[in-house]
Amino acid sequence: KAGVTQTPRYLIKTRGQQVTLSCSPISGHRSVSWYQQTPGQGLQFLFEYFSETQRNKGNFPGRFSGRQFSNSRSEMNVSTLELGDSALYLCASSLTGGDGEQYFGPGTRLTVT
Amino acid sequence: AQSVTQLDSQVPVFEEAPVELRCNYSSSVSVYLFWYVQYPNQGLQLLLKYLSGSTLVKGINGFEAEFNKSQTSFHLRKPSVHISDTAEYFCAVSGSGGSYIPTFGRGTSLIVHP
Repeated sequence: KAGVTQTPRYLIKTRGQQVTLSCSPISGHRSVSWYQQTPGQGLQFLFEYFSETQRNKGNFPGRFSGRQFSNSRSEMNVSTLELGDSALYLCASSLTGGDGEQYFGPGTRLTVT
Repeated sequence: AQSVTQLDSQVPVFEEAPVELRCNYSSSVSVYLFWYVQYPNQGLQLLLKYLSGSTLVKGINGFEAEFNKSQTSFHLRKPSVHISDTAEYFCAVSGSGGSYIPTFGRGTSLIVHP
């Protein structure tokens, strides 16, 4: 079974631009979560989608948004990029999300200059 | 609310020596507990999990962890480490009663020296 895939793997953007990251979960998994990982803050939960609905949301500004499609693929969008948005963005999929066990993708490394 | 504390940010150890990575949690509900490993430039990989039952949990790559409810701990152990175990290790907790989004600790960097 194929694992979680994320595209692109690396991205360089300029302050003020917007960016869209993509995540394809493991086949059959309906829950997709997004995390931001930085050296200073560690792993921080952004949001979780289940069956195309946002089910949980972390404490991030509205510039961070996401969506999930009917095939469970998910996208994350960050508008008006700031230097502090530079991070590794990880996507994790889960069968139902009910027990917290998640399978992570390799991440997208976003650098904002 | 739940939280996770990984007591050591870095643990250096020699190859073939035993290692213990410490994790304490706090939660107002029953919990599920996890250890993940992250190799450089990769995502997180599940090492082992505790959902219920036996408090001693065995995982991949020879790792094991023990759930201690009275001490609210879930320490990770390996009797003999290899160079290839050098990585970042994350402890995570999720609430079994509803708040299933896991909270992660800040990570422990395991550095295995030859």
